Amino acid sequence: DIVMTQAPLSSPVTLGQPASISCRSSQSLAHSNGDTYVSWLQQRPGQPPRLLIYKVSNRFSGVPDRFSGSGAGTDFTLKISRVEAEDVGVYYCMQPTQLPYTFGQGTKLEIK
Amino acid sequence: EVQLVQSGEEVREPGESLKISCKASGYSFTTYWIVWVRRMSGKGLDWMGMIYPDNSDTRYSPSFQGQVTLSADKSISTAYLQWSSLKASDSATYYCARLERDNFALDYWGQGTRVTVSS
Repeated sequence: DIVMTQAPLSSPVTLGQPASISCRSSQSLAHSNGDTYVSWLQQRPGQPPRLLIYKVSNRFSGVPDRFSGSGAGTDFTLKISRVEAEDVGVYYCMQPTQLPYTFGQGTKLEIK
Repeated sequence: EVQLVQSGEEVREPGESLKISCKASGYSFTTYWIVWVRRMSGKGLDWMGMIYPDNSDTRYSPSFQGQVTLSADKSISTAYLQWSSLKASDSATYYCARLERDNFALDYWGQGTRVTVSS
């Protein structure tokens, strides 16, 4: 299985400040068709997960532009340019390149 | 509007069977994979498996193969996750999600079904 390793696992952030989460995969996530399929999801307390980013850097419909994704190969990053109170929750990266699909361990974002 | 609506909370005893559901609307149910994801209390997300409703093709994570069964009923646009003999360790919240076919992203999610297994 492809292992997705996130860092940090916990991130206390001041409101209005940036935040960054790293995700490293144990194998390259580059597909033979040239695309790379990494997603980022947010799970707020008491809510189901929500898709933020797909295919490394594409924001899903309705996602604020303060969220951005980047990376290639085995290293990927989710950035929040200015953290807001509603961003509190757990963030996961996910790979659908190889079965079984796998998630990172999750990064808990909290406000200082 | 795409929606996935899951069945309600369940409480069972060890050894009992259970089938939970995920009803889809707002899109062509048969042409998107439905994925099931587990979240145990205080833990992260676990990918369990997925089903293609058009022909009931299923793919299971090795961790869940033989432990659960995925099925779908095209006539009522509903996917199911079932257990034949529950264990206390099956206590968790289970989510269904649609797998977007071009970008392989889980774009729409059900609200989750909480399952508690306790004697």
